[in-house]
Amino acid sequence: NAGVMQNPRHLVRRRGQEARLRCSPMKGHSHVYWYRQLPEEGLKFMVYLQKENIIDESGMPKERFSAEFPKEGPSILRIQQVVRGDSAAYFCASSLPSGLSLYGYTFGSGTRLTVV
Amino acid sequence: DAKTTQPTSMDCAEGRAANLPCNHSTISGNEYVYWYRQIHSQGPQYIIHGLKNNETNEMASLIITEDRKSSTLILPHATLRDTAVYYCIVRIPNAGNMLTFGGGTRLMVKP
Repeated sequence: NAGVMQNPRHLVRRRGQEARLRCSPMKGHSHVYWYRQLPEEGLKFMVYLQKENIIDESGMPKERFSAEFPKEGPSILRIQQVVRGDSAAYFCASSLPSGLSLYGYTFGSGTRLTVV
Repeated sequence: DAKTTQPTSMDCAEGRAANLPCNHSTISGNEYVYWYRQIHSQGPQYIIHGLKNNETNEMASLIITEDRKSSTLILPHATLRDTAVYYCIVRIPNAGNMLTFGGGTRLMVKP
């Protein structure tokens, strides 16, 4: 396993379309985190998921954004009816379960979303 | 998580040691000090972490003061590829405790 895999690396959407961002965690990692980084800004936490459960979505916008981490397959961050302000880099990270996460998270290379 | 304070930016000459300070005066006894860096357009990369003892790995050294209120990340021989934003984060190492990124220090390594 090469690490946390995110795809696509770049995604262009027209205003009003849907964006789907995928994240496959490292092998053995059961916790996934999504972060957003607006241009020239810092990383902001969005949502924390375990398999089939959303644990903390306190950083997620209340409308148009949703996330899931199904029993099988990657975690998906879904943005409906995208607007220009959604243009950003979206990073996914994964970690071991509680008590074993001493080394913190491993991040993917990100998906750069551009809304035109 | 305890708040950290870092200088906004620093310069370092290539081949010299880069010493990046971090203040975390409100750190609690069970919080670790973590360092990550983000090279332009890439995902954050784990560098090192420590509780109270100094730590060294293949990337860097971490010096934590005896009172744990501050620490210094040392890149012993900085290269141009070390140009990045460096983040100091203190947290309890529990998967439920999110990494909270502040502004970090923008390190520019110059030839």
